[in-house]
Amino acid sequence: SYVLTQPPSVSVAPGKTARITCGGNNIGSKSVHWYQQKPGQAPVLVIYYDSDRPSGIPERFSGSNSGNTATLTISRVEAGDEADYYCQVWDSSSDPSVVFGGGTKLTVL
Amino acid sequence: EVQLVESGGGLVQPGGSLRLSCAASGFTVSSNYMSWVRQAPGKGLEWVSVIYSGGSTYYADSVKGRFTISRHNSKNTLYLQMNSLRAEDTAVYYCARLSTTVTTKWFDYWGQGTLVTVSS
Repeated sequence: SYVLTQPPSVSVAPGKTARITCGGNNIGSKSVHWYQQKPGQAPVLVIYYDSDRPSGIPERFSGSNSGNTATLTISRVEAGDEADYYCQVWDSSSDPSVVFGGGTKLTVL
Repeated sequence: EVQLVESGGGLVQPGGSLRLSCAASGFTVSSNYMSWVRQAPGKGLEWVSVIYSGGSTYYADSVKGRFTISRHNSKNTLYLQMNSLRAEDTAVYYCARLSTTVTTKWFDYWGQGTLVTVSS
């Protein structure tokens, strides 16, 4: 089955740019989606189709995907961005399934 | 407004059964792809199951043969029947709606989750 690899943690100072990676074999050939989850809350979609933002998500959130790495970029990081972030793909190689990355804890210093 | 409200979680003994419900409003469950996702305490998200609008169902290997996803069209409700429960099934269970294209799917709406604890 398909595997997505994320760094367990990323730290960034307020106002700086955070980059969270999601690695997978030829992930650039798939569409990657990203979720933000704050403690005690359900996940929230922040990026879909590699780089599209749902309504209500700030322009500070952006995404890219190429080769073996997809990246979620958060510009001008704010304290409220501190959360866990998960990447996700749809794997239809055998029985259809959803695949999540292990998650990355973003800490705002 | 789209809303998903899960219920049915609780404490159950190993080997026991539980049925989770997810009442939807603001859209029609049977016209959408719907899924269950779980999260063990302190762990990441794990996909559990999906039901297509056409009725096809698929499961993660970890629950195949023990869990059954279904829906009740007139009640606009999604279910997850969980049998032969194990300690490792302990988690918050979320229901979520999938947005779909030919090549990919993603979760656009999530419920608030319901906690299932499997323990003696």
